[in-house]
Amino acid sequence: DTAVSQTPKYLVTQMGNDKSIKCEQNLGHDTMYWYKQDSKKFLKIMFSYNNKELIINETVPNRFSPKSPDKAHLNLHINSLELGDSAVYFCASSQSDRGQNTEAFFGQGTRLTVV
Amino acid sequence: AQSVTQLDSHVSVSEGTPVLLRCNYSSSYSPSLFWYVQHPNKGLQLLLKYTSAATLVKGINGFEAEFKKSETSFHLTKPSAHMSDAAEYFCVVSFYSGTYKYIFGTGTRLKVLA
Repeated sequence: DTAVSQTPKYLVTQMGNDKSIKCEQNLGHDTMYWYKQDSKKFLKIMFSYNNKELIINETVPNRFSPKSPDKAHLNLHINSLELGDSAVYFCASSQSDRGQNTEAFFGQGTRLTVV
Repeated sequence: AQSVTQLDSHVSVSEGTPVLLRCNYSSSYSPSLFWYVQHPNKGLQLLLKYTSAATLVKGINGFEAEFKKSETSFHLTKPSAHMSDAAEYFCVVSFYSGTYKYIFGTGTRLKVLA
């Protein structure tokens, strides 16, 4: 059973297109995240949702719009793709009971290549 | 502000020799600390975690880490490296700010020589 699954695994698209990446978790967690991993392997948080509510919104261009239809899903939509958006995007989830920090579980990543 | 610093971007060891990957943290609170591993073209797998229980934490695949508050360190060690340990390793600190936020270090690439 895959705990955090993202689709697609690979995405190649042209500049200017709009694309979405989907993420689902079956762990019953209340919090989900999107991270971006650049070419130097650095992982930076983009967004976090807790029970469908946006909690963390780092400095990300507004071409990126997360959507959480329910607490098991967090999708990432990207408008007007640019070359600099090429990266690996990771979805993650965790349970956020304050005082009981558990680890985050990560998906396998989506490698986005903008040409 | 919460942050982690991984002191070495690359570490090379011979198979069968000890591994030491260094991590220092900065946190205003009692931190939760993690080590994750990423094999080439793979996702992120948890190796071990420290969440204010025992300061010496044992993880998977023979890895362990010791939380040292006086040195603000959480170094990852393994007594004997195996070829399959070659990967990217990330030290992570988390803290609560409306929800838990996980801050990654810049990573250490471990190379294991035959």
